[in-house]
Amino acid sequence: KAGVTQTPRYLIKTRGQQVTLSCSPISGHRSVSWYQQTPGQGLQFLFEYFSETQRNKGNFPGRFSGRQFSNSRSEMNVSTLELGDSALYLCASRPRTSWLGNEQFFGPGTRLTVL
Amino acid sequence: AQTVTQSQPEMSVQEAETVTLSCTYDTSENNYYLFWYKQPPSRQMILVIRQEAYKQQNATENRFSVNFQKAAKSFSLKISDSQLGDTAMYFCAALLNNDMRFGAGTRLTVKP
Repeated sequence: KAGVTQTPRYLIKTRGQQVTLSCSPISGHRSVSWYQQTPGQGLQFLFEYFSETQRNKGNFPGRFSGRQFSNSRSEMNVSTLELGDSALYLCASRPRTSWLGNEQFFGPGTRLTVL
Repeated sequence: AQTVTQSQPEMSVQEAETVTLSCTYDTSENNYYLFWYKQPPSRQMILVIRQEAYKQQNATENRFSVNFQKAAKSFSLKISDSQLGDTAMYFCAALLNNDMRFGAGTRLTVKP
């Protein structure tokens, strides 16, 4: 099976712009989670989608949003970019939203740089 | 507050020796999941080992084992027979009330 894929792998934007990142989960996986990784704040949970519905949300401002399509692919959007949004954005998928007997697999991440 | 703390920012170990990475967490929940993830340089994050809080037996995966002390809220990772490929950032994580919390990470270097 192919692993979790994320596109693009690298992105450079300027303050005030918006950005959309994409994540394709492992085939058959219906739960997709997004994380932000920065040197200062570490790894932080953004949100989780399952069956096209947001199931959980971390403590991020409304500028961060996401969605999931019927094929389980997910996108996250960040509007009005700030310098502090520079980070590695990780996507992870697992078969179901339940964690019992489930393992989550991470993608390689999208490195976003905001200038 | 539900937090995860890794008190060792960096550690090193000689190849073939054993090393223990520490992790403590804070929660009032009784049922939760704990994880250790490995993030090699410029490579993807992978799961090393997981522990369900309701299980008293410590999880083991080949050279990796945990010491889970529920009352002390401690979840340390022991790596036996360290290999050069174990060099990576190691993150302790806890799934608490459907919120995945990560520690700040421990950078482990295995020296030849």
